[in-house]
Amino acid sequence: EDQVTQSPEALRLQEGESSSLNCSYTVSGLRGLFWYRQDPGKGPEFLFTLYSAGEEKEKERLKATLTKKESFLHITAPKPEDSATYLCAVQALGGSYIPTFGRGTSLIVHP
Amino acid sequence: DTGVSQDPRHKITKRGQNVTFRCDPISEHNRLYWYRQTLGQGPEFLTYFQNEAQLEKSRLLSDRFSAERPKGSFSTLEIQRTEQGDSAMYLCASSFNQEGLTFGAGSRLTVL
Repeated sequence: EDQVTQSPEALRLQEGESSSLNCSYTVSGLRGLFWYRQDPGKGPEFLFTLYSAGEEKEKERLKATLTKKESFLHITAPKPEDSATYLCAVQALGGSYIPTFGRGTSLIVHP
Repeated sequence: DTGVSQDPRHKITKRGQNVTFRCDPISEHNRLYWYRQTLGQGPEFLTYFQNEAQLEKSRLLSDRFSAERPKGSFSTLEIQRTEQGDSAMYLCASSFNQEGLTFGAGSRLTVL
C-alpha cells in the first residue's frame, strides 16, 4: 500500500526565514510525486510534478526536489501570503492513476 | 475555462437523508476524481472515472455512496442515508492523463 508521510505537521516562520518541508513516501514504483497548496476552505491548488530522483522544479519562492525516498519543498524568504497547508501526493506505477495524499504541513508565516 | 465547479458549496442535512453533489470538470480533461477531506487530514480517495467509465472505487467506500459520470461530462456523487460520520468536505478534481489534478472548491457536508 502506498504511504505518504509529511513533516512537520505544522511550521511557524518569521517573514524571510527560509525552511524546508519534507515528504517521505513508500510506493512499489513511483510514477510521479505532486505538491499542492491548500488555503483554508478551498480545494488544493497544483504546484509541481516530479518524476525522477534528482529532478527539481521552481516557482517563485518555492523549489521542490526529489530523491528515491523523499521530496523536499524549500521555501526561500517566505512572505505571509505563503501561509497555507502544503500537501504532497504520490502516484504509483502499475496501472492506477490515483494519487495518494499525505496529511499536509500547515505553514504560518508571521510578518 | 472557469475551472472545476462544484455544487452546492455547503449542504446541511439531517441524519438519514440523501444528498447529491455535482461536479463540472474542465471540458478537455478525461479523468475525474472524488476525494473526501476532514479537518487536519489530507484528501482521501473515493472514486475515479476515465471518461464515462468508473475505473476504481475505494475499498473503504460504503455501499451508501454512488457516483456517476454520464457521457463523460459532469459527475454526481450521491450519499444515501447519511450518517454523522459522513460530515466532511467532498472534493472533485479533474486532469488530462497524468497531469496534476485541478480541484474544485469543494462541497462541505454537515450531517446533524
